[in-house]
Amino acid sequence: EVQLVQSGAEVKKPGESLKISCKGSGYPFLSYWIGWVRQMPGKRLEWVGVIFPNDADTRYSPSLQGQVTISADKSINTAYLQWSSLKASDTAMYFCARSVYGSGTYPFGAFDIWGQGTMVTVSS
Amino acid sequence: DIQMTQSPSSLSASVGDRVTITCQASQDIRNSLIWYQRKPGKAPTLLIYDASYLETGVPSRFSGGGSGTHFTFTISSLQPEDFATYYCQQYENLPFTFGPGTIVDIK
Repeated sequence: EVQLVQSGAEVKKPGESLKISCKGSGYPFLSYWIGWVRQMPGKRLEWVGVIFPNDADTRYSPSLQGQVTISADKSINTAYLQWSSLKASDTAMYFCARSVYGSGTYPFGAFDIWGQGTMVTVSS
Repeated sequence: DIQMTQSPSSLSASVGDRVTITCQASQDIRNSLIWYQRKPGKAPTLLIYDASYLETGVPSRFSGGGSGTHFTFTISSLQPEDFATYYCQQYENLPFTFGPGTIVDIK
């Protein structure tokens, strides 16, 4: 079965660091872009960025570039989203998802397999 | 960023009804549009990509159309399992952006 399994919910304080994970199985992990999407409370889904695990090519939403880091460990089929200094505004549900069906502009686009989501709460 | 709007924001319908949702992009995105279904507490499910192509395994009662800035999503005969929220997403320009969603609930 093709699936992405994310790490569990996190409660952190502002200024703390965090790394959440997304482990893929049932498909050639290195051959697909993996993306991150977040949903802040009461807000619409927001595209965070993507990574191609095979060569670590990474693209970010311009508004989040420098605020988060996307990485991957090829040896364990796992992608990560990390923060060095969390803010209250990072509170959100974070989903990882496998990307397929790129547009003519990008080799990534639609997300066909999603993880179950990781709730990140940042509060003092 | 490309702004995505959807209408209506919600609708009430009965089993068997034909339902149409529209999605508008703030600039030309050619056919780089996706439709997702999302049920409460779950991640989205991919239904349609490239504006009109049905994802494998998705029932044929779902369809999409349009190009440029105006898109439609139709359920030809609403089934009980279709009551959910539907989102559009553009993937023409970074950052990819989502519509606010349309809630389809039971009349």
